[in-house]
Amino acid sequence: QSVLTQPPSASGTPGQRVTISCSGSSSNIGSNTVNWYQQLAGTAPKLLIYSNNQRPSGVPDRFSGSKSGTSASLAISGLQSEDEADYYCAAWDDSLNGPVFGGGTKLTVL
Amino acid sequence: EVQLVESGGGLVKPGGSLRLSCAASGFTFSTYGMNWVRQAPGRGLEWVSSISSSSSYIYYADSVKGRFTISRDNAKNSLYLQMNSLRAEDTAVYYCARPRGVGSFDIWGQGTMVTVSS
Repeated sequence: QSVLTQPPSASGTPGQRVTISCSGSSSNIGSNTVNWYQQLAGTAPKLLIYSNNQRPSGVPDRFSGSKSGTSASLAISGLQSEDEADYYCAAWDDSLNGPVFGGGTKLTVL
Repeated sequence: EVQLVESGGGLVKPGGSLRLSCAASGFTFSTYGMNWVRQAPGRGLEWVSSISSSSSYIYYADSVKGRFTISRDNAKNSLYLQMNSLRAEDTAVYYCARPRGVGSFDIWGQGTMVTVSS
């Protein structure tokens, strides 16, 4: 059971905008920044969003992140087939003294 | 090119030991803290352990505390994870990961599979 809570699945059609939610508590999301990772099938995770809403170099601006209180969300606009992947949220947890992850959301592009 | 390459995974019996290695290249390894993160088959990501750049600060997840030992050799640009008293629930792909700020990891290795089974 993961510390952060994500929906197990999400879907959309090409061109649509989809959002993935991530819920935590005061010891993690409530007091620290949120990061998002994309994991394509059979590959290592890739940092997609850091510090709530910052994109590393090379990540398209179709991906955006936001945070409010103890929740965060990842939005993907102009959905493309290559966006089909697992998405994980993560944040530092002050109680556990380490980073914690969500259980992951499998995004299907219909 | 910034790169992390893990090795040392394999099949081990419950109660056995294994030592994972992670070779870093393309960046100044000695200035970064490093981490191990694992992913059980079909499951999500779980942080395992972290070590500061000079090995002064070391942290473990409760699930591995007392059984796993993280270490590094800055002269060899290498990170290690000594895993003892292995259990079936330790079966996972183990990734080494470089941090980018607090709680995020911007560089990941390809992972090495550890299977604990009799």
